[in-house]
Order: sequence, then C-alpha cells, then structure tokens
Amino acid sequence: QQQVKQSPQSLIVQKGGISIINCAYENTAFDYFPWYQQFPGKGPALLIAIRPDVSEKKEGRFTISFNKSAKQFSLHIMDSQPGDSATYFCAASTSGGGADGLTFGKGTHLIIQP
Amino acid sequence: EAGVTQSPTHLIKTRGQQATLRCSPISGHTSVYWYQQALGLGLQFLLWYDEGEERNRGNFPPRFSGRQFPNYSSELNVNALELEDSALYLCASSLVGVSYEQYFGPGTRLTVT
Repeated sequence: QQQVKQSPQSLIVQKGGISIINCAYENTAFDYFPWYQQFPGKGPALLIAIRPDVSEKKEGRFTISFNKSAKQFSLHIMDSQPGDSATYFCAASTSGGGADGLTFGKGTHLIIQP
Repeated sequence: EAGVTQSPTHLIKTRGQQATLRCSPISGHTSVYWYQQALGLGLQFLLWYDEGEERNRGNFPPRFSGRQFPNYSSELNVNALELEDSALYLCASSLVGVSYEQYFGPGTRLTVT
C-alpha cells in the first residue's frame, strides 16, 4: 500500500520557470511533511518541511503548499536553475517520524534546461 | 559540524553471506534511522534506534537487524543475503523530542552477487 503518491515521475522545466511537484497522502495521522533533494551518488538532503497547522511555508525559492482537507501538498521551486536538477522526494510521518519512520513518495526526477 | 557518516561506501557480497554497515550520527543526535533505497521501490523505512534501543522496524524480515552503541553510532546487519537486498542503504539521524528533522548520510551501496 503506497501511502504517499507523488507526481509527476519526471519533469522538465526551462531555466527561470516554476517547477511544481505534487504529493497526496491517505493516512490522516500524518503530522509532518518534509521534502528532500537527492543528487546522484548522494544521500537525500532536507529542503523544507511543513506541519498541518499551516497552509504554506516558504524558504528562499522553495515553497510548500499544504491542503489538509484534500490531503495534498506540493513543492514549488521558483526561478528554477540548472543546479536544481535532482530527484525530489516528498515524505510524511506521524509522531515526528520516530514511531514509524518517514514514508516517502516514489520521487520526481527534475531537469532544468538552460 | 560534521554530518552523518556511513561506511563502507560500497560493499560487494555473495548471496547467503552477511553484510555489516555502519553509521555515525550528527554529534548530539540520539536517534538513528535506517532506510533501504532499492531501484524501483523508492526509500523504505527499515529500523529506528534511540538511546540504544530498537524502537520500531519497518516491513522487513528479521534477517535485517542492528544495534546502537553507547556513543549513538549504529550498525545494520543483513544476514543470509539475497539478490534483492542489493540497494543503497541510508542512515539518518535526528534529535527526537526536540526536532522532527532527519538528516541523511551518503549511504552504503550494497551489491549482492
């Protein structure tokens, strides 16, 4: 049972454009939603995270939008740059991730074209 | 500040053998998590250790086990290796009770032949 569904699987965006990656979850007990960025040969790096008591969180060019009623959240990358080309994973957890670990989406391979 | 470190970087084993992977958390972090990143399966939670105790495990057979040492470093053991155990094994650390954030190491690439 895939508890976090991520789309699209791959995405090509022109430099300077907006990259949008979406995730949907089923478990209403999830209370923490991080996004990770992974470059080839590296471990995932925490980008930004949100809790369900807020609808949006912005850090630099990265914004998470959260819709609790729809059980959906998304990552927006503004002014996308070639250096943003990587695989992005959404994740979710309950109890701060300790009780059941992070449940990850399948990932989105993002390519930013110069 | 040093991040999460893992060793070895690569490990090649034969089916049926045992593999031991090691992880050192960020200084001050007491929790260590292990994840498997297999091709086509994504990242899956394996084990969580906190304060030396196994707190939870994911949907993996008992031949996946580990321990956490008094200095909070951790070891993952995989017994009776199968071909499908070939994957990137990632360790993450956090300070449970203070922050939800998990920080990952670079991983150990395990290849079973």
